[in-house]
Amino acid sequence: EPEVTQTPSHQVTQMGQEVILRCVPISNHLYFYWYRQILGQKVEFLVSFYNNEISEKSEIFDDQFSVERPDGSNFTLKIRSTKLEDSAMYFCASRGGGDSNQPQHFGDGTRLSIL
Amino acid sequence: GNSVTQMEGPVTLSEEAFLTINCTYTATGYPSLFWYVQYPGEGLQLLLKATKADDKGSNKGFEATYRKETTSFHLEKGSVQVSDSAVYFCALTSKAAGNKLTFGGGTRVLVKP
Repeated sequence: EPEVTQTPSHQVTQMGQEVILRCVPISNHLYFYWYRQILGQKVEFLVSFYNNEISEKSEIFDDQFSVERPDGSNFTLKIRSTKLEDSAMYFCASRGGGDSNQPQHFGDGTRLSIL
Repeated sequence: GNSVTQMEGPVTLSEEAFLTINCTYTATGYPSLFWYVQYPGEGLQLLLKATKADDKGSNKGFEATYRKETTSFHLEKGSVQVSDSAVYFCALTSKAAGNKLTFGGGTRVLVKP
């Protein structure tokens, strides 16, 4: 069964450094998402992406965050200057087109640790 | 806006016991409802879904019924196994809220042999 893949599984970065989290969504999916889960808290929506542009973003997704689909397969989340509070598990998800009831499929996540 | 409330864990059960995890929601429009499961060290996997009132989602012995009158989507399994130990997340989407998933806080379930 096709799956969403995320790399790396764990990223350790110094505060203030840039980090790029990578995702390969399911190949025929059209809608892409990033979520994050701070340890012990809820899974929170960050951003959705469709047709090469952001569809919606949350309050969390400030100017330090950006997303890109640089080619036909990758979907990346960049944090420009990381803060301690960015430490979390980051999940990528994708969904097929058409019916909005199609479920989102998740990757295994990237654990981001900011030192 | 949309919100999901589910019972806090951890829930500790013996093998073959009956499992219920309560989930209630508030939503704009007509939401679709989901249960996701996260096994230790893994990502979020779709367990089951229901897209309209009175629909029942089912998978791997788990069931949940979309109850519009009580705005609930409780997860049940009649006889749990040790392998069901995981964190379970109730979630919803709605077109009115842009189809993003709104999650409950998750319920950790531990099944002991």
